[in-house]
Amino acid sequence: EPEVTQTPSHQVTQMGQEVILRCVPISNHLYFYWYRQILGQKVEFLVSFYNNEISEKSEIFDDQFSVERPDGSNFTLKIRSTKLEDSAMYFCATGLAADTQYFGPGTRLTVL
Amino acid sequence: QKEVEQDPGPLSVPEGAIVSLNCTYSNSAFQYFMWYRQYSRKGPELLMYTYSSGNKEDGRFTAQVDKSSKYISLFIRDSQPSDSATYLCAMRRNTGGFKTIFGAGTRLFVKA
Repeated sequence: EPEVTQTPSHQVTQMGQEVILRCVPISNHLYFYWYRQILGQKVEFLVSFYNNEISEKSEIFDDQFSVERPDGSNFTLKIRSTKLEDSAMYFCATGLAADTQYFGPGTRLTVL
Repeated sequence: QKEVEQDPGPLSVPEGAIVSLNCTYSNSAFQYFMWYRQYSRKGPELLMYTYSSGNKEDGRFTAQVDKSSKYISLFIRDSQPSDSATYLCAMRRNTGGFKTIFGAGTRLFVKA
């Protein structure tokens, strides 16, 4: 059964550094999302991406964040100048249609 | 008032019991309603999704949506210890860019 994959599984970085989180969507999926989940808290929407552009973003998704599909397959989330409060699990989700989303296993980001 | 409210539990039931999980919401624009299961330190797994009001059944799971009361439910019949997980409700509008709002999740323990 096809699944969403994410790399790395765990990323440790120093405050102020840039990180790139990578996601490989399920083949032929058209809708892409990033979420984050701070330990013990709820899953929070960051951004949705469709037809090669951002379709919606939350108030969390400020200028520090960006997304792209650099090669038409991978879907990346870049966080510039990381802060301590960016430490969280980051989940990629993809869907063939807008009504279903399949989540990857997540990347745990630790900012020191 | 939060957009989506979900009792965090924990909810503990004996094996074989019928489990009822619920969420309330405040935004009448929500049209898509989803239930996810999340095991510890894993990504959410889509269980059920429903458009607008009504019931939907899939095996031991039944999802109900009552838009007039802004109330959704997930029932699990013949619960098993393997059902022990956190259950997340999620919902979004029919318009816009697919922003999905999650509840805080209810922790369920099914005792053998």
